[in-house]
Amino acid sequence: GAGVSQSPSNKVTEKGKDVELRCDPISGHTALYWYRQSLGQGLEFLIYFQGNSAPDKSGLPSDRFSAERTGGSVSTLTIQRTQQEDSAVYLCASSLYRASGKGDTQYFGPGTRLTVL
Amino acid sequence: KQEVTQIPAALSVPEGENLVLNCSFTDSAIYNLQWFRQDPGKGLTSLLLIQSSQREQTSGRLNASLDKSSGRSTLYIAASQPGDSATYLCAGRNNDMRFGAGTRLTVKP
Repeated sequence: GAGVSQSPSNKVTEKGKDVELRCDPISGHTALYWYRQSLGQGLEFLIYFQGNSAPDKSGLPSDRFSAERTGGSVSTLTIQRTQQEDSAVYLCASSLYRASGKGDTQYFGPGTRLTVL
Repeated sequence: KQEVTQIPAALSVPEGENLVLNCSFTDSAIYNLQWFRQDPGKGLTSLLLIQSSQREQTSGRLNASLDKSSGRSTLYIAASQPGDSATYLCAGRNNDMRFGAGTRLTVKP
């Protein structure tokens, strides 16, 4: 079946511009996650959506970062006034559910490589 | 704050060898621990997920163990193949998910 898809696969932008990254989760998955992976770094959690609950934004590095999830499906990660340190691969993942004490295997998209010049 | 460490950072073995990748975490109150594989230029592939109530999970040539009391998990790969070459990441879930930096595995033919 179809997996998690992300677009664009690559994005080059100039410092100070805004960018939008899109994630289409697996159909039926209620949980959606955004991560980023900077060069030589581990994965960093950014934000998490579960159903209609308020998102967990605890990982967002600054107020320039925001994300929406419309209709419980597609999500958009927006970075305003991009900086060079925002350059990274941004990964999206989805899972069936997320509940304390229960497994929630995450399925990852291929990522969007963002380069800020 | 959960911290996840993976050792070694890189590992090179000849084809056919059995090997163990190590993952340690500082907060034992995890809900689960997951192992992933990352191939260059691609997203992550989930390999095994161990719930907090479990001690191990197996899938084919892969076996992952979890010892919450010592804050450790291992990924055992039996009879390694060149196609196993990739970066292996572990991640512990508390309220969010924390990843280790990964172990880059190279299996030489």
